[in-house]
Amino acid sequence: AQTVTQSQPEMSVQEAETVTLSCTYDTSENNYYLFWYKQPPSRQMILVIRQEAYKQQNATENRFSVNFQKAAKSFSLKISDSQLGDTAMYFCAFMTALYNNNDVRFGAGTRLTVKP
Amino acid sequence: ETGVTQSPTHLIKTRGQQVTLRCSSQSGHNTVSWYQQALGQGPQFIFQYYREEENGRGNFPPRFSGLQFPNYSSELNVNALELDDSALYLCASSLDRQTTYIQYFGAGTRLSVL
Repeated sequence: AQTVTQSQPEMSVQEAETVTLSCTYDTSENNYYLFWYKQPPSRQMILVIRQEAYKQQNATENRFSVNFQKAAKSFSLKISDSQLGDTAMYFCAFMTALYNNNDVRFGAGTRLTVKP
Repeated sequence: ETGVTQSPTHLIKTRGQQVTLRCSSQSGHNTVSWYQQALGQGPQFIFQYYREEENGRGNFPPRFSGLQFPNYSSELNVNALELDDSALYLCASSLDRQTTYIQYFGAGTRLSVL
């Protein structure tokens, strides 16, 4: 069974600094997707970044980048130049690329606080 | 804004009652997935609907059921409510069942069971 583990329940960072959130996962599949979602107090889950496992290049989206280590089954999120609006819960998630798969597995989340 | 809307935003029920939650998918999306997010946890997949039929189910009992309508909006029904059903219920829509890796979430319905 696929599992996703986020070992940091809470983290904080000073505005403008860089922070890295950790995620590990367990799967026997070779093709899959990994995601980082942000959930602010408004509750709406927002996709931050997506990584396809077959791509060796790490995904980046503006201030957000990932360090994808397939062999180690590790998928960390780096937030550069942290902003107050980055304060939220961050969830790492996994989904196999099997035909018609629809089950996205989420970790328990990391609560990130950006301090002024 | 994702274009996915859920109603109501909050709901209070008592144990044993039944509840219906609603979700309107983003325009052009024919697939809706439902998730339960208990307090302090990540979302858990309940089931997915594609073109009005259930297309996969997570580890939830049969008292969790759903519907999808011809306009692809969806309902989640929970019978015989239990205290542990208290959670945030999220729906997410995707263009097609093959593109669940690109899905857009609504803001959820907070259900409290007393």
